[in-house]
Amino acid sequence: DAGVIQSPRHEVTEMGQEVTLRCKPISGHNSLFWYRQTMMRGLELLIYFNNNVPIDDSGMPEDRFSAKMPNASFSTLKIQPSEPRDSAVYFCASSLGGTSTDTQYFGPGTRLTVL
Amino acid sequence: GDSVTQMEGPVTLSEEAFLTINCTYTATGYPSLFWYVQYPGEGLQLLLKATKADDKGSNKGFEATYRKETTSFHLEKGSVQVSDSAVYFCALSGGSQGNLIFGKGTKLSVKP
Repeated sequence: DAGVIQSPRHEVTEMGQEVTLRCKPISGHNSLFWYRQTMMRGLELLIYFNNNVPIDDSGMPEDRFSAKMPNASFSTLKIQPSEPRDSAVYFCASSLGGTSTDTQYFGPGTRLTVL
Repeated sequence: GDSVTQMEGPVTLSEEAFLTINCTYTATGYPSLFWYVQYPGEGLQLLLKATKADDKGSNKGFEATYRKETTSFHLEKGSVQVSDSAVYFCALSGGSQGNLIFGKGTKLSVKP
């Protein structure tokens, strides 16, 4: 079974450039989550979707970050313009129902480096 | 707001030693509790979970019991192996939509 798929696995870009991270959740899962992992702040929830609708984006750091889920099998996280402090590993996760008892399945992550 | 506190690492043990990683939480209502493991260069994998008080989650020799009275969910394993070397995250999920709140993570290194 295919798990959560993320692309690219590694991204190196220069400050000011636009970055787009992609995620394909597990088929049949109704909830999708974007997390960011840094040494300083650990794992932080950025935004999550339920049935393709953004439910809570209060974790999105600022207006430079945006996320979309145009259909049940695809989501993007965009940073424009990127800054060095955005360097982190970005994880996408999906769950079947999105309730508090559901297990979240994580993708392998995208390691972003902004120079 | 809800939060998770887990013991600082790193933790270094010899093979076959006993492992405890402490985790306590603060939450309103009745959260579900999780332990996730992250191997180097990989995403997080669910290790075990418990969804109500006094539940015990177990997997691959690891155990944790949901203790409401002490708001704890400590991870234990009786005999660790080198292959258990990883970062372990305690997390809670209390919202209606299931978003996770993670602890800082504890890095475990097991030496042969």
